[in-house]
Amino acid sequence: EDQVTQSPEALRLQEGESSSLNCSYTVSGLRGLFWYRQDPGKGPEFLFTLYSAGEEKEKERLKATLTKKESFLHITAPKPEDSATYLCAVQASDYGQNFVFGPGTRLSVLP
Amino acid sequence: NAGVMQNPRHLVRRRGQEARLRCSPMKGHSHVYWYRQLPEEGLKFMVYLQKENIIDESGMPKERFSAEFPKEGPSILRIQQVVRGDSAAYFCASSPGGADTQYFGPGTRLTVL
Repeated sequence: EDQVTQSPEALRLQEGESSSLNCSYTVSGLRGLFWYRQDPGKGPEFLFTLYSAGEEKEKERLKATLTKKESFLHITAPKPEDSATYLCAVQASDYGQNFVFGPGTRLSVLP
Repeated sequence: NAGVMQNPRHLVRRRGQEARLRCSPMKGHSHVYWYRQLPEEGLKFMVYLQKENIIDESGMPKERFSAEFPKEGPSILRIQQVVRGDSAAYFCASSPGGADTQYFGPGTRLTVL
């Protein structure tokens, strides 16, 4: 039974074509939801932390939002350098202090 | 301001040998986590440590795997008698506290021949 799911599994966009990635979770006692970016052969790079429903965070072309059951990562006017796998993770009272990661969304932005 | 450091970056072992993976957390961070990423799979939690203590090892295989975070020096993930199924990328993360954002190192890619 998946506790953290992400959709779509893969996404191809043209440069400048905005879209959203979804992270859905079914946990008790959410402590935090985290977004990371991972490039091939590298470690996850921290993007955002969200703690409560209604919270939003922005950084350059990325904006993360959180509801009680899901989070969205909105990408506005993406560039080829935004191509990466985007991972979401939750920290919840179900799991102690560790993170539970979703499977990721592989984003490709074509020039 | 150095980030999380891991070494070696690549490690090749033959079946039955031992693998030792090292992780130095970010300065000021006393919480260390180890994750494993199998090919085409997501990151899976293995173990959570603080200095000289294992806090949660619920994700660690019961046999052949062990972890430590001594008072001095890096955290070490040790895999004894490696098998081909241990081939994966192993990532270490650190945080200043248990409920804080985790920052990841570049990973160690273990290949078992």
